Amino acid sequence: KAGVTQTPRYLIKTRGQQVTLSCSPISGHRSVSWYQQTPGQGLQFLFEYFSETQRNKGNFPGRFSGRQFSNSRSEMNVSTLELGDSALYLCASSLGFGRRGINEQYFGPGTRLTVT
Amino acid sequence: TQLLEQSPQFLSIQEGENLTVYCNSSSVFSSLQWYRQEPGEGPVLLVTVVTGGEVKKLKRLTFQFGDARKDSSLHITAAQPGDTGLYLCAGALGGTSYGKLTFGQGTILTVHP
Repeated sequence: KAGVTQTPRYLIKTRGQQVTLSCSPISGHRSVSWYQQTPGQGLQFLFEYFSETQRNKGNFPGRFSGRQFSNSRSEMNVSTLELGDSALYLCASSLGFGRRGINEQYFGPGTRLTVT
Repeated sequence: TQLLEQSPQFLSIQEGENLTVYCNSSSVFSSLQWYRQEPGEGPVLLVTVVTGGEVKKLKRLTFQFGDARKDSSLHITAAQPGDTGLYLCAGALGGTSYGKLTFGQGTILTVHP
């Protein structure tokens, strides 16, 4: 079974621009979660989509948004980029439901975003 | 607010030594996962623990979930250079928070040959 794929792997943008990152989950998985990883803050939850609906949201400004398509593929968008948005953006896929709240997430390789 | 406190942050040991990484919280988690991440890659799931007091073994790695489901530990026996990497614990609160994992800050392990 193919794993989670993310495109592009690397991206360089300038302040003020916007960016769109893409994630294809494992076949059969209906949930996609997005995380931002930085050396100072570690891995922080951005949002989760399940069946094309945002089900959970982290504490990030409205410049960060996402969506999910009917085939479970997901995109996240960051508008008006700031230097502090430089990070590794990770997406993780999971079934989206499970007994007793078990939520095994499988991560893609990430997109390294550098804002200059 | 960091819900999951992971310690130590850094660990540098010689091949063959044993080590333990701790993950502590004041919150009760429905499940807790351990991941290992290598530079430039995404975290790879090692194990999921669900039941309080549960112990799981994966070759030289032993994972334990605390009785109250608030803490966990990872013990590696006879560490090898291939164990080098960033180890992350992540808790799932379940319920309406399904889909969100809360991560510890991570432990950077370096095993010297």
